[in-house]
Amino acid sequence: QVQLQESGPGLVKPSETLSLTCTVSGGSISSGSYYWSWIRQPPGKGLEWIGYIYYSGSTNYKPSLKSRVTISVDTSKNQFSLKVTSVTAADTAVYYCARALYDSSGYFLFIDIWGQGTMVSVSS
Amino acid sequence: DIVMTQSPDSLAVSLGERATINCKSSQSVLYSSNNKNYLAWYQQKPGQPPKLLIYWASTRESGVPDRFSGSGSGTDFTLTISTLQAEDVAVYFCQQYYSTPITFGPGTKVDIK
Repeated sequence: QVQLQESGPGLVKPSETLSLTCTVSGGSISSGSYYWSWIRQPPGKGLEWIGYIYYSGSTNYKPSLKSRVTISVDTSKNQFSLKVTSVTAADTAVYYCARALYDSSGYFLFIDIWGQGTMVSVSS
Repeated sequence: DIVMTQSPDSLAVSLGERATINCKSSQSVLYSSNNKNYLAWYQQKPGQPPKLLIYWASTRESGVPDRFSGSGSGTDFTLTISTLQAEDVAVYFCQQYYSTPITFGPGTKVDIK
């Protein structure tokens, strides 16, 4: 069965760039029918959708984060990645990578598989 | 953005009793062309990622116990746990996927009374 695993630094300094990678195992990221997504959850708070990428490289970002966020895919490694620039304390959160289904019109649907999450703290 | 609200913020229910969680969207998430509600429910236990319970507002994900059920349409939705078990202690989130940005409700914490 498909599993997702996040990796990356747990501590990032303010104004620097947060970089995370999600490795997909048990299935191919290029198989189609899925959007590969990033969601974050500040400590003790709710879930915030960051954006997604299709294996072809097409992306969709949350507008309020779009200027600072880049999601990319490396199909040869079966991985997708997240970069958030100019981070502040407000970016401190557990970051989840996840797989979402999409329908025949390309609509992002629900998330059926989540990674375990990785905590990223922004602090000097 | 579609704003999702949930009520109550938390509730405590006796084992074997019913738990009811409400979710409201700021605009309808019913897509008229296919008559489907673009609404999902997730369960998140401490230290774990969310787990998909319900999609299309009322379709149970494979492997989810049938004591979990979803109902509602348009802007008002309900997740019901018919007979609360100890393992159901968790935070429950609703999510709309009618339009991007995808948005989640703030969560409802369910505890044992």
